[in-house]
Amino acid sequence: GAVVSQHPSWVICKSGTSVKIECRSLDFQATTMFWYRQFPKQSLMLMATSNEGSKATYEQGVEKDKFLINHASLTLSTLTVTSAHPEDSSFYICSARDSSRAVKLFFGSGTQLSVL
Amino acid sequence: GQQVMQIPQYQHVQEGEDFTTYCNSSTTLSNIQWYKQRPGGHPVFLIQLVKSGEVKKQKRLTFQFGEAKKNSSLHITATQTTDVGTYFCAGPLGNQGGKLIFGQGTELSVKP
Repeated sequence: GAVVSQHPSWVICKSGTSVKIECRSLDFQATTMFWYRQFPKQSLMLMATSNEGSKATYEQGVEKDKFLINHASLTLSTLTVTSAHPEDSSFYICSARDSSRAVKLFFGSGTQLSVL
Repeated sequence: GQQVMQIPQYQHVQEGEDFTTYCNSSTTLSNIQWYKQRPGGHPVFLIQLVKSGEVKKQKRLTFQFGEAKKNSSLHITATQTTDVGTYFCAGPLGNQGGKLIFGQGTELSVKP
């Protein structure tokens, strides 16, 4: 099946630093990728839609200057958490759809971010 | 705004017992999808339902889509320890292609 690779799987950083998370579609091209955030024991909350070659679209309440998204190619989207603070600690998951395989999403393995 | 509600939040069963999780949407959905997330893992697609009243089976799992296309259920017959995880329903967010809104999930634990 389609594979979405997400890296790193976990990261610990100091408050004030920036962290970059990569999401790659390994065997298909994804013009659109989605970034979700998940707190423990909670659902997935859509943060933003990453569009190849254009600006990302952010959901209401998500700071675009805080969560920078770049979708430079058809197989790579990156999420950068800028000036991270402890409240940014969360599980971040990317997903992508292979348009040749209907509407289901393939998820990356997620990144657990802990900000000290 | 659009909401997808899922109940129960937690379900603890004895191995061999049945399990059902229910999903209700505030809006009519063009389709509904179900995902399973194992502890420490990421969501994995299970199935998509599209038609009103549709019922699909995958071995011990039975998925239903309501006639009004606003609710859905997942039923597991004779649960096994491998069924442990959180089950999420998800529907299209508005008419914005590809975006999904997820229910809160039902966490299933199975006691051997």
